[in-house]
Amino acid sequence: DTAVSQTPKYLVTQMGNDKSIKCEQNLGHDTMYWYKQDSKKFLKIMFSYNNKELIINETVPNRFSPKSPDKAHLNLHINSLELGDSAVYFCASSRLGLGDTQYFGPGTRLTVL
Amino acid sequence: GENVEQHPSTLSVQEGDSAVIKCTYSDSASNYFPWYKQELGKRPQLIIDIRSNVGEKKDQRIAVTLNKTAKHFSLHITETQPEDSAVYFCAPNTGTASKLTFGTGTRLQVTL
Repeated sequence: DTAVSQTPKYLVTQMGNDKSIKCEQNLGHDTMYWYKQDSKKFLKIMFSYNNKELIINETVPNRFSPKSPDKAHLNLHINSLELGDSAVYFCASSRLGLGDTQYFGPGTRLTVL
Repeated sequence: GENVEQHPSTLSVQEGDSAVIKCTYSDSASNYFPWYKQELGKRPQLIIDIRSNVGEKKDQRIAVTLNKTAKHFSLHITETQPEDSAVYFCAPNTGTASKLTFGTGTRLQVTL
């Protein structure tokens, strides 16, 4: 059984387009996250939701908008894609929040042309 | 927010040798200290963690030591094997703050 899943695995798109990445966890966790990992492998948190409520909202362009329809899902919508958005995006979840093990999804490699 | 530094940024060891990676943090309220391993093309996965009420924790060939006074904790890998080659991240945090910072990563290469 997949614990944290993301779709799609790869996403290639043109500048200016709008795209979404979906994430689902079947671990029953309360907290979910979105991370961006750039080409230098730096892992940076973007957003965190606890029970559908936004608790971390790092300084990211407002072109990025997370949506949590229920506590098992956290989707990421990106408007007006730019070249610098190219990265691997990881979804993660944890049972109790930040001070607990994070379980990562397989990642979505986004390439903006 | 938490300032987190990892050293070294790259580490190359021969199979069978030991490897040590250090993570230095700034927030004295930090009480949870995990290490994640990310193999090439894969997701990060927790390999070991420690909480502030203990100074050391060991799991087979890997161990984590914590020095709260000096605000650093280290990952120790003994008898390294090629499958230990990966990027390792620390992520110290208070568990309640609204920020979470991962270290910049250490690329470990285990050569035959």
